[in-house]
Amino acid sequence: DGGITQSPKYLFRKEGQNVTLSCEQNLNHDAMYWYRQDPGQGLRLIYYSQIVNDFQKGDIAEGYSVSREKKESFPLTVTSAQKNPTAFYLCASRPLSGGETQYFGPGTRLLVL
Amino acid sequence: DQQVKQNSPSLSVQEGRISILNCDYTNSMFDYFLWYKKYPAEGPTFLISISSIKDKNEDGRFTVFLNKSAKHLSLHIVPSQPGDSAVYFCAARVFYGGSQGNLIFGKGTKLSVKP
Repeated sequence: DGGITQSPKYLFRKEGQNVTLSCEQNLNHDAMYWYRQDPGQGLRLIYYSQIVNDFQKGDIAEGYSVSREKKESFPLTVTSAQKNPTAFYLCASRPLSGGETQYFGPGTRLLVL
Repeated sequence: DQQVKQNSPSLSVQEGRISILNCDYTNSMFDYFLWYKKYPAEGPTFLISISSIKDKNEDGRFTVFLNKSAKHLSLHIVPSQPGDSAVYFCAARVFYGGSQGNLIFGKGTKLSVKP
């Protein structure tokens, strides 16, 4: 079954703690994306990667970091520098050639204790 | 400055009637427009898209219309069903530059279809 998986579904962060959200895809897609959704807001782009070992900042990258060591995986770390991390985080992917559609994972809800 | 705008936060329609969701954009550098449907606590699912060189695309109960001169697109759902109740996001794809392929999303419209 091809798709995008995100884990965990819920994540709790203590003050000053870094946490990492997992995103894995077996669709053989080249590009991967991380978005943040807040209530009443659209999806805002945090980071994206079009090839392995390369990634670019999106519109709200401050306080976040990513890596792209494998084509299938694009983990997102929410660092202690992100002062308002409570949100719903969505990972997406798409093929670079012939694909305008991004496909989304089920999301991770991050809450601050 | 929002490049993709969905000015109606919510819409309520009766089952069986038409739902019309609207979206405006300000940038001419988009080559595709997409609609996604999202249920609470789930990821968005792709519904339908339209190329900037077309003015209509239809898929079953869903039709998207594009008016390039007005920089406006709309999603029509006919007939509306209670299962269509969700948040609908309009998105536009950037077609040039370093962010080629990236999507710009509107804030969404919450559709409620009443039985």
